[in-house]
Amino acid sequence: AQKVTQAQTEISVVEKEDVTLDCVYETRDTTYYLFWYKQPPSGELVFLIRRNSFDEQNEISGRYSWNFQKSTSSFNFTITASQVVDSAVYFCALSGANNAGNMLTFGGGTRLMVKP
Amino acid sequence: DAGVIQSPRHEVTEMGQEVTLRCKPISGHDYLFWYRQTMMRGLELLIYFNNNVPIDDSGMPEDRFSAKMPNASFSTLKIQPSEPRDSAVYFCASSLYLAPYEQYFGPGTRLTVT
Repeated sequence: AQKVTQAQTEISVVEKEDVTLDCVYETRDTTYYLFWYKQPPSGELVFLIRRNSFDEQNEISGRYSWNFQKSTSSFNFTITASQVVDSAVYFCALSGANNAGNMLTFGGGTRLMVKP
Repeated sequence: DAGVIQSPRHEVTEMGQEVTLRCKPISGHDYLFWYRQTMMRGLELLIYFNNNVPIDDSGMPEDRFSAKMPNASFSTLKIQPSEPRDSAVYFCASSLYLAPYEQYFGPGTRLTVT
């Protein structure tokens, strides 16, 4: 069975602070994919990134960066110099790569509040 | 291009009434998913379709829930009769393929059953 744990239910930071959202996953698949979605106050889930299990290179996209570490089964998300517009709920998700396991399993989400 | 469209955005109904939620996926996407989001259970996959055919409905909570996809551009999720515990945000999502391809979510329908 697959499981995604986002231990931080809520984080509050002041604008311009860096913040890291943790994601730990469990899977028996050797090939799998990890995702991050953002859910702003408007409610719609917005896709941010997808990584496969064979690519452990960190990824940076503007102020966003992702640290994938297979050894600790973690796929953490860092926002540098946070802004008020980053306030949202962030979900980490996992899927397998075969027909039996390629549904998305979501973590419980981390609510990020960025205060001015 | 238009994203996933859901209607209504908000629905308030009384217990026992029938509720129908609607979804129009992104054109060309062969997969359509219905999710439910609650504070207690987070995001749960209810059912998904491939080329209009239901593939996995193991997440449908009970017989009161049914979903259909009569054509590639329209799907419905029906609850009959509705109960207060069905109150949640229901999301529709579509994708070109199954994972690892990303799913694109609609804005959701917030359902309140009183």
